[in-house]
Amino acid sequence: SQQGEEDPQALSIQEGENATMNCSYKTSINNLQWYRQNSGRGLVHLILIRSNEREKHSGRLRVTLDTSKKSSSLLITASRAADTASYFCATDAADSSYKLIFGSGTRLLVRP
Amino acid sequence: ETGVTQTPRHLVMGMTNKKSLKCEQHLGHNAMYWYKQSAKKPLELMFVYSLEERVENNSVPSRFSPECPNSSHLFLHLHTLQPEDSALYLCASSQDFEAGGNNQPQHFGDGTRLSIL
Repeated sequence: SQQGEEDPQALSIQEGENATMNCSYKTSINNLQWYRQNSGRGLVHLILIRSNEREKHSGRLRVTLDTSKKSSSLLITASRAADTASYFCATDAADSSYKLIFGSGTRLLVRP
Repeated sequence: ETGVTQTPRHLVMGMTNKKSLKCEQHLGHNAMYWYKQSAKKPLELMFVYSLEERVENNSVPSRFSPECPNSSHLFLHLHTLQPEDSALYLCASSQDFEAGGNNQPQHFGDGTRLSIL
């Protein structure tokens, strides 16, 4: 069954604006990861946040994790046209040491 | 350059053909993965190899046959595929720490776009 579910499914913003994407999941996790995928390319790892962490930063990216609400958010500040991509959250699976369960993704369009 | 190289990038084949997808990682990782990405569906894990041993097989039809000859190479052998197998096939690798690979970032190749006629 699907674990991570991103919201919104699609987001269109102007360059320079902030973009916020949300991820909800169903079962307890040890960690949650965010990935980006440009059209026709593979996924690129952005950030991994562990269940005992609440917030993590990497450059213009800020990820929060609320385990009580089983949700995470990815904030991209001062967006650029190059940020146009699909963004996926992925959680570890309780029944496997290797499986990552991906959501369906948020398609972000940053207009120049 | 992600450190994970997949060939070919595109493949068109008939349902009776046999072909293989290749993945090579230059990151020194010891876990490798095959994923299937279909339109409008979440990424699906197919197979996982850790230290060249298959550790996951997610109910994948036998027309897909993985092979991991060493920790740097991973193959996916294809035969008698169906039209619904048309998809982007992604290979990934990770370091296998602390009893599992899903607590580490995974590094993906750019995939093979497979079309079944």
